[in-house]
Amino acid sequence: DTGVSQNPRHKITKRGQNVTFRCDPISEHNRLYWYRQTLGQGPEFLTYFQNEAQLEKSRLLSDRFSAERPKGSFSTLEIQRTEQGDSAMYLCASSLGSAAFSGNTIYFGEGSWLTVV
Amino acid sequence: DAKTTQPPSMDCAEGRAANLPCNHSTISGNEYVYWYRQIHSQGPQYIIHGLKNNETNEMASLIITEDRKSSTLILPHATLRDTAVYYCIVNDYKLSFGAGTTVTVRA
Repeated sequence: DTGVSQNPRHKITKRGQNVTFRCDPISEHNRLYWYRQTLGQGPEFLTYFQNEAQLEKSRLLSDRFSAERPKGSFSTLEIQRTEQGDSAMYLCASSLGSAAFSGNTIYFGEGSWLTVV
Repeated sequence: DAKTTQPPSMDCAEGRAANLPCNHSTISGNEYVYWYRQIHSQGPQYIIHGLKNNETNEMASLIITEDRKSSTLILPHATLRDTAVYYCIVNDYKLSFGAGTTVTVRA
């Protein structure tokens, strides 16, 4: 299966620690997206990359969050000084080009669950 | 991007067709309609998308009205594994998820 891969799938961390999630998109997909989802809510957009360039960041992406895609392939999402409110599922997705006006499809990974205790 | 309106929930009998409506009255001529679903604790799963014509794939059919202001996702033979939250999204380059429709398939 060559879908979007996310690691780790589950992470439990103590408040104040840093955590990093990795996303490997579908091969040759130049767009990569990060979302956050809390219980009972739909996924919320955080940021996206076109190749290695980070083109948009949501207001949800506080300064404790940083995302990178250094070579335009895999991406990492780091959360520094975690807080209990960061507990959520972090979703990664990828697409071959924009989904807007072109019919390209955005495919999601299975998500990485973060629990901050 | 156009907003969508979906019923919050619906039930369906196993083996029957499930028809999920979505209103998108402000859709513009070149905006696509996408459907995703999310089974509990999993990532969203792409189902189908369309622009003007009706579309069918191995999962579902998408019927878009002629004026494109609404659409219906049809699951032809619902199974218990189709129980999920279904999201209708118009065009959005980054996918803005609303509340979706919680579909419960009952035996």
